[in-house]
Amino acid sequence: DVKVTQSSRYLVKRTGEKVFLECVQDMDHENMFWYRQDPGLGLRLIYFSYDVKMKEKGDIPEGYSVSREKKERFSLILESASTNQTSMYLCASSTPRFTNYGYTFGSGTRLTVV
Amino acid sequence: GDSVTQMEGPVTLSEEAFLTINCTYTATGYPSLFWYVQYPGEGLQLLLKATKADDKGSNKGFEATYRKETTSFHLEKGSVQVSDSAVYFCARKTGGGSEKLVFGKGTKLTVNP
Repeated sequence: DVKVTQSSRYLVKRTGEKVFLECVQDMDHENMFWYRQDPGLGLRLIYFSYDVKMKEKGDIPEGYSVSREKKERFSLILESASTNQTSMYLCASSTPRFTNYGYTFGSGTRLTVV
Repeated sequence: GDSVTQMEGPVTLSEEAFLTINCTYTATGYPSLFWYVQYPGEGLQLLLKATKADDKGSNKGFEATYRKETTSFHLEKGSVQVSDSAVYFCARKTGGGSEKLVFGKGTKLTVNP
């Protein structure tokens, strides 16, 4: 069974901390994505990556960075966490080899910044 | 730009009722269209998809037809169950060969016994 695994289901961090959210996929997918999900706003794209060491900004990249050193792993970094980054974070992956299959999502990380 | 608009929720139905969740997309080419479902506490799962005009996607009793003339991809189910309670997202591929998906804001469905 193919999977996208996010390292934590729930996280509580303090304002100003550097936070790492990890995502690993075992499908050999080229593309990986980070979204945040907020009530009434749906899913908003933060960053995505089409290949190792490649990254592109999504719609709301401010306050975030990403790292993709290996094909299977895509990390989201909150450089200095703030309370307005409290949200559900969803990682997804896809491949252009089966472009109409859409995304496979992880179960999400609910982050609370206090 | 590329966008998806779906009906605002929440939607509350009784078991065995008919469900329609409306979704329309901006007409930039002929994008692949998707419905995703998110059960409480989980990530999104692909429910069904359609890749060209007049295609019908179906899964678990849900259906949606790609309507080019009305730029719509409405989700329907003839008889909902309590277990269908979830948030439903409509999505489309962005244009220009991009692998990105654009999502609607989601519609929360609650089915009461």
